[in-house]
Amino acid sequence: NAGVTQTPKFQVLKTGQSMTLQCAQDMNHNSMYWYRQDPGMGLRLIYYSASEGTTDKGEVPNGYNVSRLNKREFSLRLESAAPSQTSVYFCASSEAQASDRKGKLFFGSGTQLSVL
Amino acid sequence: QKEVEQDPGPLSVPEGAIVSLNCTYSNSAFQYFMWYRQYSRKGPELLMYTYSSGNKEDGRFTAQVDKSSKYISLFIRDSQPSDSATYLCAVQGNFGNEKLTFGTGTRLTIIP
Repeated sequence: NAGVTQTPKFQVLKTGQSMTLQCAQDMNHNSMYWYRQDPGMGLRLIYYSASEGTTDKGEVPNGYNVSRLNKREFSLRLESAAPSQTSVYFCASSEAQASDRKGKLFFGSGTQLSVL
Repeated sequence: QKEVEQDPGPLSVPEGAIVSLNCTYSNSAFQYFMWYRQYSRKGPELLMYTYSSGNKEDGRFTAQVDKSSKYISLFIRDSQPSDSATYLCAVQGNFGNEKLTFGTGTRLTIIP
C-alpha cells in the first residue's frame, strides 16, 4: 500500500525557474494538503483541497499555485522560484470531513527543494 | 504569540528513561490534540490522537491534555533508540473542516 507518493524527492532550481511538485494518494481520501517545513517554523500550510474540484489558500500561499487534478492527485507549482522558497515540501491527505478522523493526516516522504 | 508553542530541544536522554514532551496552546477552542513523529528525512506520521481533556495510552506512549491550563504532553516510557525522532504536537478546532496548527517540533535522541 503506497499511501501518499511525492515526486521528485530532491530538486535544485535557479531563481526564476518554474517547476511542479506532484502528489498522489491511493487511500480514497477527500482532502489533500501541501505544507512546507522550515527550521524553527514548523509545518506551515500552503494550500489545501477539501474535495475534488476545490482548493483554498493556507497560511503561506504567495508564490504558489495548486491543481486538484482528480481525487487522487494534487500538484503544487512554483511559477518563478525564489531563494525564500528553499524548503522541504510535504503533501498530505486525510478523510477530514469525518469528525472522528479530524486531524489524522497521512504524509508523503517530502521533496527537498533548493533555489539558488 | 504563536498559537502553539513547543520547546525545540534538542533533548537527549539515556535508553530506558521516561521522556516528557510538552506543548502549550493559546486558543481554548481547540478540541483535537495530536502528536506526530517524524524520523529524519521522512514525513510526519500520526502517533497519538486525543479529543478534549484527559489521558490516552498506547503501549509505551501516553498523551495527556489539560485544557484548563492549555497544556499537552507526550510521555514515552522505557525509551528506545528507535524513539529518536522529532516529535510535533498539533491542535485543531471543531468548526467545520479546520486545518491543523503544528508546533515547531522537539528533536529527541535516545542514547544507547
